[in-house]
Amino acid sequence: DGGITQSPKYLFRKEGQNVTLSCEQNLNHDAMYWYRQDPGQGLRLIYYSQIVNDFQKGDIAEGYSVSREKKESFPLTVTSAQKNPTAFYLCASSAPPYGYTFGSGTRLTVV
Amino acid sequence: AQSVTQLDSHVSVSEGTPVLLRCNYSSSYSPSLFWYVQHPNKGLQLLLKYTSAATLVKGINGFEAEFKKSETSFHLTKPSAHMSDAAEYFCVVSRKTSGSARQLTFGPGTQLTVLP
Repeated sequence: DGGITQSPKYLFRKEGQNVTLSCEQNLNHDAMYWYRQDPGQGLRLIYYSQIVNDFQKGDIAEGYSVSREKKESFPLTVTSAQKNPTAFYLCASSAPPYGYTFGSGTRLTVV
Repeated sequence: AQSVTQLDSHVSVSEGTPVLLRCNYSSSYSPSLFWYVQHPNKGLQLLLKYTSAATLVKGINGFEAEFKKSETSFHLTKPSAHMSDAAEYFCVVSRKTSGSARQLTFGPGTQLTVLP
């Protein structure tokens, strides 16, 4: 079955550590996205990528970094510069017209 | 710029009664609008989408929404609520970026509770 796989499902980070969230898709979608979800705020766009080796900042990119070395993969690194990283992170991909598919999310907690 | 307002953060209904979740949007362009549902600690599932075809859009699980341009609204309805409908619902507007990507702007969500 085609879809998006996010791992791990739960992740714990110590203060000052970088962590990387995995996102893999087998849908052959060109565009991929990372969203952050906080209670009562809906989802906010962190980064998106339209093709391999290209990505753009979203609305809340500070403290995050991404790479897109392969079409299927779009990992997100939460750096120590992100002051409030505890959140639910959702990866998505899309292909025209307007088809969006979401992963099942990674819950990151700073301990 | 575009934005989405969901007028109720929480809605409670009894099982078997109608559901109305309200959404208003603003967009500089003719919008594409969506409703997504999210169950606890899960990803998002598309309920329905409006993309400038029929203004009354039917989705999965008996949900439908009506696009009203004059009111800039896209309210979600269901004639009879089921216990399994309890979840968080997001109204979303899409805007095109360069290339094939489309950025989604999410409303803050409405938590639906279904009472037995």
